[in-house]
Parts: sequence; C-alpha cells; structure tokens
Amino acid sequence: DQQVKQNSPSLSVQEGRISILNCDYTNSMFDYFLWYKKYPAEGPTFLISISSIKDKNEDGRFTVFLNKSAKHLSLHIVPSQPGDSAVYFCAARGEAGGTSYGKLTFGQGTILTVHP
Amino acid sequence: ETGVTQTPRHLVMGMTNKKSLKCEQHLGHNAMYWYKQSAKKPLELMFVYSLEERVENNSVPSRFSPECPNSSHLFLHLHTLQPEDSALYLCASSQDIGASYGYTFGSGTRLTVV
Repeated sequence: DQQVKQNSPSLSVQEGRISILNCDYTNSMFDYFLWYKKYPAEGPTFLISISSIKDKNEDGRFTVFLNKSAKHLSLHIVPSQPGDSAVYFCAARGEAGGTSYGKLTFGQGTILTVHP
Repeated sequence: ETGVTQTPRHLVMGMTNKKSLKCEQHLGHNAMYWYKQSAKKPLELMFVYSLEERVENNSVPSRFSPECPNSSHLFLHLHTLQPEDSALYLCASSQDIGASYGYTFGSGTRLTVV
C-alpha cells in the first residue's frame, strides 16, 4: 500500500517556463510534507517543506501548494532552469502521537528535465 | 560534502559474500536511518535508530543486519544477499526523529549482487 504517490515518472519543460510536480497521499495522519531533489550519484537534498496547517509555502523560485481536502500537493518551479534537472521526491512525515511519528514516507520520484 | 558520508560508494558482491556498508555523520544528530532505493520505486525505510537504539525494523529480511555503535556511526551488515537486493542504499540522519526540516542524506552505496 503506497501512501505517497507521484504518478508522473518524468516531466520535460523548456527553460524559463513553469515546472509543476505533483504528489498525492492517502494517509491523513501526515503533518508535514517535504520535497527533496536528487542529482545522479548524490543523495537526496532537502528543498522545501510545508506544514499541514498551511496551504502554501514559497522560497525563491520554489513554491509548494497543499490541498488537504484533495490530499494533494504540488511543487512549482518558476522560472525553470537547466540546473533544476534532477529527480524530485515528495515525502510526508507521520504526525505526533501516531505509530509513524517523525518518519518520512517517500514517493517514487519524478524525473524533471529542463531544456535550454 | 553533505555532512553524511557513506562508504563504499559502489559495491559488487556475490550471494555468498559478507560485506558491510558504513555511514558516518558529524552533524550532532540523534537519529539515523537506512533507506533502500530500487529502480522506479519509492525510497523504502529499512531501519531507524534514535540515540543508538533501534526503534524500527520495517520487516527487513535478516540477511540485512544493522549496527549503531554510537550516535555518529551506522552500519549495515550484509550476508547471503539475493540479486533482487541490488539497489542504492541510502543513509540519513536528523536532529531527532520528529525533526520537521527533514533528513540529511548521504550519497548512497550502489550495491550490485551477482
């Protein structure tokens, strides 16, 4: 049972345009959502996060939107740059008091390619 | 340098071999994790350690044996593995299990079982 899903295995975008990466989850017991970025031969690095009590968090070119009723979050990158080409993982943290408190559940990743 | 160092970066082993993966962090973090990343699959949590004590074992086969001798080091001992165990093994650490800003990952060990 996959609790965090990224249904698009890949996304191709032109430089300067917007990249939108999507993530769906099934467990309402998550309290924090995070995006990680992974380059080949490196481990994932933290990119941006959002608390479940918010619906938007922005950091420079990166914005994460959370729709709790739809159990959906998305990462927007504007403008996209070739250096953004990487695998993007969505992750969700189990809330306090639950059996999965603090532990991150990851999606399967989306490969983003930004063309010059 | 990510702050979490994993060795070796690549490992090829036969099914009858015994090997160990090493992870080291000097971030002062109290929690450490082993994740497995197989192709086109989500990162799978294998083991969680908090203050050197194992707090979770996600139904991982006994051919994988973790060890956390101190808060800075984490090992994954491997023996009699199967070809389907070939994957990228990632170590991560966080300040505590509930850290809201997520984990710091190492670069991983690419394991191939032949």
